[in-house]
Amino acid sequence: SAVISQKPSRDICQRGTSLTIQCQVDSQVTMMFWYRQQPGQSLTLIATANQGSEATYESGFVIDKFPISRPNLTFSTLTVSNMSPEDSSIYLCSVEDSPGMPFSFGEGSWLTVV
Amino acid sequence: GDSVTQMEGPVTLSEEAFLTIICTYTATGYPSLFWYVQYPGEGLQLLLKATKADDKGSNKGFEATYRKETTSFHLEKGSVQVSDSAVYFCALSSNSGGSNYKLTFGKGTLLTVNP
Repeated sequence: SAVISQKPSRDICQRGTSLTIQCQVDSQVTMMFWYRQQPGQSLTLIATANQGSEATYESGFVIDKFPISRPNLTFSTLTVSNMSPEDSSIYLCSVEDSPGMPFSFGEGSWLTVV
Repeated sequence: GDSVTQMEGPVTLSEEAFLTIICTYTATGYPSLFWYVQYPGEGLQLLLKATKADDKGSNKGFEATYRKETTSFHLEKGSVQVSDSAVYFCALSSNSGGSNYKLTFGKGTLLTVNP
């Protein structure tokens, strides 16, 4: 299965600032996914990122708040913009190991907004 | 749309007890089913999977059988250990008429195993 590295692993951020999370995969993948896990909650899909095209956002998530880049087949970034305490979450990057089959996850980026 | 319903937690067991975590799902088509585990302070790891009806996924002593007739994928282990303490997520993946396979997660079940 794919090995996924995320940076930063943890951060404490000031209200109103923005933070960019990086996701690096050790193999070329078509689809990359960004999830949010709020404290004590399940994972919610934010968006799906294809290389060379605009990300597709799920209901309740917008590009202005969570801009995503996907410059190549092994890398993506998610920016959390104008952060508020409600954005305190774990943000996880995920990829399909093969179409429709087990998804690998990064270890997550644990953000606390103060 | 797709959904996953998991047994409410938390679940507290003594070591060597039998574990069942209930998971049922609603999906169009023929989803693949997964159990993921999240140990304290760590990221999400795939525990086991099943891709079609009657498949049994197994790993680390855990098992789950894909039951299409009852739309269920219950997680079981015959004898839990303290090291099994974690949050367990049931999830499904389906291509609901589109080109993307997306994971839909249950709410997670916190398991604590006491010595």
